[in-house]
Amino acid sequence: TQLLEQSPQFLSIQEGENLTVYCNSSSVFSSLQWYRQEPGEGPVLLVTVVTGGEVKKLKRLTFQFGDARKDSSLHITAAQPGDTGLYLCAGLRYNFNKFYFGSGTKLNVKP
Amino acid sequence: DAGITQSPRHKVTETGTPVTLRCHQTENHRYMYWYRQDPGHGLRLIHYSYGVKDTDKGEVSDGYSVSRSKTEDFLLTLESATSSQTSVYFCAIWGIGTSGQNEQFFGPGTRLTVL
Repeated sequence: TQLLEQSPQFLSIQEGENLTVYCNSSSVFSSLQWYRQEPGEGPVLLVTVVTGGEVKKLKRLTFQFGDARKDSSLHITAAQPGDTGLYLCAGLRYNFNKFYFGSGTKLNVKP
Repeated sequence: DAGITQSPRHKVTETGTPVTLRCHQTENHRYMYWYRQDPGHGLRLIHYSYGVKDTDKGEVSDGYSVSRSKTEDFLLTLESATSSQTSVYFCAIWGIGTSGQNEQFFGPGTRLTVL
């Protein structure tokens, strides 16, 4: 059982549609990160959220950290084929220097 | 981009043989991590290091050992490789990014196949 449950595991949508990816846990995190990974490469950081209730926007991507710091969401508006990839959330536990990753969401945006 | 490299990038080996993967950083960061990535599991932490000769276990450390004799190098060793260790291995460092916040920077990965 993973500490961070990520859903959905797969998502295939048409260009222009909106989508939301969820990352949930029963544990509290000091911060939560979202990464995007292309095939054959390492994950690349998109954003870090630190404060409970925090909302960050990165162009068409909106990230939210839950008030209780146990969950987070990634919302993409008007998805484009360039958004295709594997999206991963990762939480940093208090007093630990270890990151716990969700299982990932594989997004495919069709033209 | 953070200066982090991994070698080899690909390796095929046989069950029972020892294998060592190398991670090298040029950023002088204190924290280094080894993860494995398998379908449906995201990234799982194997071992990490918080300084020279200071290491600790992650969630899937059985069958793996690590060493860090210099700040820039973090080695992952499979003492006797098994087919269940076929995976893609990523090294990461943790440090201040361009955003001014702590973030992990990942290497390009090593694809290991154990026959």
